[in-house]
Amino acid sequence: GENVEQHPSTLSVQEGDSAVIKCTYSDSASNYFPWYKQELGKRPQLIIDIRSNVGEKKDQRIAVTLNKTAKHFSLHITETQPEDSAVYFCAASIPRTGKLIFGQGTTLQVKP
Amino acid sequence: GAVVSQHPSRVICKSGTSVKIECRSLDFQATTMFWYRQFPKKSLMLMATSNEGSKATYEQGVEKDKFLINHASLTLSTLTVTSAHPEDSSFYICSARGGRQGARETQYFGPGTRLLVL
Repeated sequence: GENVEQHPSTLSVQEGDSAVIKCTYSDSASNYFPWYKQELGKRPQLIIDIRSNVGEKKDQRIAVTLNKTAKHFSLHITETQPEDSAVYFCAASIPRTGKLIFGQGTTLQVKP
Repeated sequence: GAVVSQHPSRVICKSGTSVKIECRSLDFQATTMFWYRQFPKKSLMLMATSNEGSKATYEQGVEKDKFLINHASLTLSTLTVTSAHPEDSSFYICSARGGRQGARETQYFGPGTRLLVL
């Protein structure tokens, strides 16, 4: 079945720097890749997603890139701010089921 | 659009009792809802897929008699933890697929229910 690996598990950056989180997936049939941000004790919030028919998507300071051949996708956050501090999860869909398989999560700390 | 509520937000119960958690899609119809379990500082673990009007599909290792799921309408799914024990203590989160915004695969999450079994 689908397996999603996420790295790094923790990431600390200075305010204003960029942060990159990477994920790999195993099922080449997966075609939908969302990223969620979860603050402590709160619900996961969708921040950006990408489908397999595009290689990159951007929304203000956040961008996601997808390499279908290598089966990996990455989240890029530019000009980080302290409020970006949270746990970020990548996920990959299992075709025809609607299920999402989540990565292990990355704890991002943005130091002011 | 795409708001999901969950109730209760927190529950403490005695060992051996049953606890029901409700998940509602407030502004859209969700034919599919999902139930996850999350341990502290861990990822989301899918427990089951809940389809309106049909039996839930459970992931491997999840006891269907322990975690009863009912999806009676397009806006409501319930998870009942039967004969709860301390090891069932966890953060349970539901999600609903659909909504007017985003891809049809997009899942919107409820706020979660923290269960503590004494």
